[in-house]
Amino acid sequence: DGGITQSPKYLFRKEGQNVTLSCEQNLNHDAMYWYRQDPGQGLRLIYYSQIVNDFQKGDIAEGYSVSREKKESFPLTVTSAQKNPTAFYLCASSVQSDPRETQYFGPGTRLLVL
Amino acid sequence: QKEVEQNSGPLSVPEGAIASLNCTYSDRGSQSFFWYRQYSGKSPELIMFIYSNGDKEDGRFTAQLNKASQYVSLLIRDSQPSDSATYLCAVNSVSGTYKYIFGTGTRLKVLA
Repeated sequence: DGGITQSPKYLFRKEGQNVTLSCEQNLNHDAMYWYRQDPGQGLRLIYYSQIVNDFQKGDIAEGYSVSREKKESFPLTVTSAQKNPTAFYLCASSVQSDPRETQYFGPGTRLLVL
Repeated sequence: QKEVEQNSGPLSVPEGAIASLNCTYSDRGSQSFFWYRQYSGKSPELIMFIYSNGDKEDGRFTAQLNKASQYVSLLIRDSQPSDSATYLCAVNSVSGTYKYIFGTGTRLKVLA
């Protein structure tokens, strides 16, 4: 089955710790995205990547880092610099970074701070 | 800051009625408009997309776009309790980057 997988489903972070959220897709999509969703709020773009080895900051990139070494994978690291990381993190992908291309979402990772 | 606005609701409709969800956007250059449904605790799933002015129908769903008024809506006919969810409007941003801007969503409750 083609799709987007995210792991883990739940992640707990201790203060001062970096944690990495995994996102993998087997849809052969060029573009991948990371969003953050807080309760009662819409999705806010953290980072996006249009091609391998290239990525761009979104609206709320501070405290986060990404890599895009493979087309299929776009991991997100939440660093200790992100002071309020508790949120629902969503990874998405699209065929190519084109305004008409639909984004498809993974199941999400819920990050909680201990 | 380009914005997409939706009434947060909840919008309550009886089973079998038509639910009307509305969205306005600020970027006149936007080209593509998407409606996603999001159940509580789950990720968004695509319901409809529309590019051109007018109506687009898919089963019980109709998307309506009016670019002059910067307004896009989603109609759900014969609403079912299973339609109860939050509906997110997304609009592309064409300011040199390919970014989608999401509204905060409208919570729909279909009453049995």
